[in-house]
Amino acid sequence: DIQMTQSPPSLSASVGDRVTITCRASQRIRGYLNWYQQKPGKAPKLLIYAASSLQSGVPSRFSGSGSGTDFTLTISSLQPEDFATYYCQQSYTTPRTFGQGTKVEIK
Amino acid sequence: QVTLRESGPALVKPTQTLTLTCTFSGFSLSTSGMGVSWIRQPPGKALEWLARIDWDDDKYYSTSLKTRLTISKDTSKNQVVLTMTNMDPVDTATYYCALAVSGTEGYWGQGTQVTVSS
Repeated sequence: DIQMTQSPPSLSASVGDRVTITCRASQRIRGYLNWYQQKPGKAPKLLIYAASSLQSGVPSRFSGSGSGTDFTLTISSLQPEDFATYYCQQSYTTPRTFGQGTKVEIK
Repeated sequence: QVTLRESGPALVKPTQTLTLTCTFSGFSLSTSGMGVSWIRQPPGKALEWLARIDWDDDKYYSTSLKTRLTISKDTSKNQVVLTMTNMDPVDTATYYCALAVSGTEGYWGQGTQVTVSS
């Protein structure tokens, strides 16, 4: 199985900050990388698919980049509703695998 | 509008078999490119992908759980069923089903909490 490693596991940031989360795959997955946002007690929500494509309805402050093994999710200006846990997932092959998550907390 | 809803027992005993049903609307599982996945999340832990069934009845399973999982679909009822045998307390989790379009889980149900305890 492909292992997905996210960093950092958690971070503290203030409203308005630029936030970057990284995800590394244990083997090359081309651009087959998705990002999800999960708030407490809620189902995950797809933010970014195919590494850099914004899901419909997702604010443009979210962006994704990367290819091969290294990927990044960036929030350009953190908003109060963005405090959540973010997961990457490879969609290159089955079984699908997720990263361990990055919790974004209020500083 | 795509909706998915998970249903099943909230409590199962160790060694029992869990049967979960995902009932969906807003899409057809007979349409090319569509699939339904199951994902779970133990309390306070990360997401774990379990299985997926596609429109053409192709099935995919978690490597570590494949001997315990069976996924099936009833296209006429708009349902997907996941069974997991030999349940253990470590299987306590929220179980989600999700619509996978071209393999990407874009729409999720609200999840159903399953506790394994005697």
